[in-house]
Amino acid sequence: AQSVTQPDIHITVSEGASLELRCNYSYGATPYLFWYVQSPGQGLQLLLKYFSGDTLVQGIKGFEAEFKRSQSSFNLRKPSVHWSDAAEYFCAVGARNTGRRALTFGSGTRLQVQP
Amino acid sequence: GAGVSQTPSNKVTEKGKYVELRCDPISGHTALYWYRQSLGQGPEFLIYFQGTGAADDSGLPNDRFFAVRPEGSVSTLKIQRTERGDSAVYLCASSLRGSGDMETQYFGPGTRLLVL
Repeated sequence: AQSVTQPDIHITVSEGASLELRCNYSYGATPYLFWYVQSPGQGLQLLLKYFSGDTLVQGIKGFEAEFKRSQSSFNLRKPSVHWSDAAEYFCAVGARNTGRRALTFGSGTRLQVQP
Repeated sequence: GAGVSQTPSNKVTEKGKYVELRCDPISGHTALYWYRQSLGQGPEFLIYFQGTGAADDSGLPNDRFFAVRPEGSVSTLKIQRTERGDSAVYLCASSLRGSGDMETQYFGPGTRLLVL
């Protein structure tokens, strides 16, 4: 079974600073990879996904993520954080070539943005 | 267009009571998913429908939990004899096709269930 680790429970950055949120997964092959964002009282919004091809993936709101097979990682980055980015971020994986649609989520990283 | 909608947004019930949570998927989406998100945790998969049938119910924690999707659109998650440990946000998602490999899942705002 796959698992996802988000090592940082809480991160605080200053507005305008760069951001990197870590995600490591455990899976026997290359999984499908996702990053979602959840604002208070809101559902999960997809930021970006990796299915195949270029390992550097561009998403919405200026976010990008890089799949590194050797490190089993899919870290999320943003060069300059805005106050509106304060939210909870979830990394998720899905099994490949199994027909299973269930996503396995990490426990999330809460981002706080200081003015 | 309209996204996934869930009703009610909040539900408070007493231990031992029965509750129903409703999900309206994005129009035209064939697949529908239920997840549960406990406080401070990521969502956990419960069940996935392909059309009217449950294609994968491996995440349902026990037989108190049941879900239906009789016409292949709206789904209802039913919890019998609720327990305090059932308190969580119940998230619904939908995706376009019901077959083939993984697709992007689009989530609703969730129903926050509190069992007193």
